[in-house]
Amino acid sequence: AQTVTQSQPEMSVQEAETVTLSCTYDTSESDYYLFWYKQPPSRQMILVIRQEAYKQQNATENRFSVNFQKAAKSFSLKISDSQLGDAAMYFCAYRSDFNAGGTSYGKLTFGQGTILTVHP
Amino acid sequence: NAGVTQTPKFQVLKTGQSMTLQCAQDMNHEYMSWYRQDPGMGLRLIHYSVGAGITDQGEVPNGYNVSRSTTEDFPLRLLSAAPSQTSVYFCASTPRARYEQYFGPGTRLTVT
Repeated sequence: AQTVTQSQPEMSVQEAETVTLSCTYDTSESDYYLFWYKQPPSRQMILVIRQEAYKQQNATENRFSVNFQKAAKSFSLKISDSQLGDAAMYFCAYRSDFNAGGTSYGKLTFGQGTILTVHP
Repeated sequence: NAGVTQTPKFQVLKTGQSMTLQCAQDMNHEYMSWYRQDPGMGLRLIHYSVGAGITDQGEVPNGYNVSRSTTEDFPLRLLSAAPSQTSVYFCASTPRARYEQYFGPGTRLTVT
C-alpha cells in the first residue's frame, strides 16, 4: 500500500515571501499521479497542482510550483509571493489507479497535512 | 450544476444512534468515495463505488455501510455510532482516473 508523509505539521511565512512544504511518499508503482490540495477554513478541498510521475518537468500553476524528485520519492510544494489568502491546511496526495470493468479509476491516499500561516 | 452536495453540514449523535450521511452529485460521475478527516491523519478512504450497484471498502471501513442504487447518490450509514467516529466526512466524485476528484463541503459529525 502507498503511504504519504508530510513531516511539517505547521509552517509559517511572511507575506510576499516564499515557502516550501515537504511531502514524501512510498510506492512500488512506476506510473502514478501526485497532487497538492488546499483546505481553507471553509473546509472546501481545492486542487492546487498535479504532477504525473512520467513527466520529468515540474508542474507550475501561477505562484505554485513543485519539486518532484522521483528517485527520492519526494514532492514538495513551493509557494512564491505568499498572500494572506494562501493561509490554509495543505495536503499532499498520491493517486493509485485501478481497473474496474475496463475503465481506470483512481484512489487517493493523503498525507497528514501542513497548516500554513501567512503573517502580514 | 450543484457539483457534489452533502447533508447535513453538522450533526451531533449519541453513542449507539444510527444515521445516514447523504452525498449526491449531478455530474454523472461513475466514481464516488467517502473519506474521513481526523487531526494529524489527513483524509482516509472509507468506501468507494465505481457505479450503481458496485461498492468496495477503503482503508477504514469498519462501522460504516454504503450502497449505490443510482449514479447520483452514495449515502454513508453509521449503524451504531461510536465516539471514535467523531470526524469530518467528505464525499468526492470523478468520472474516471485521469480527471480531478470533486469534493463536497463536508459534514462535521460529533458522537457523544
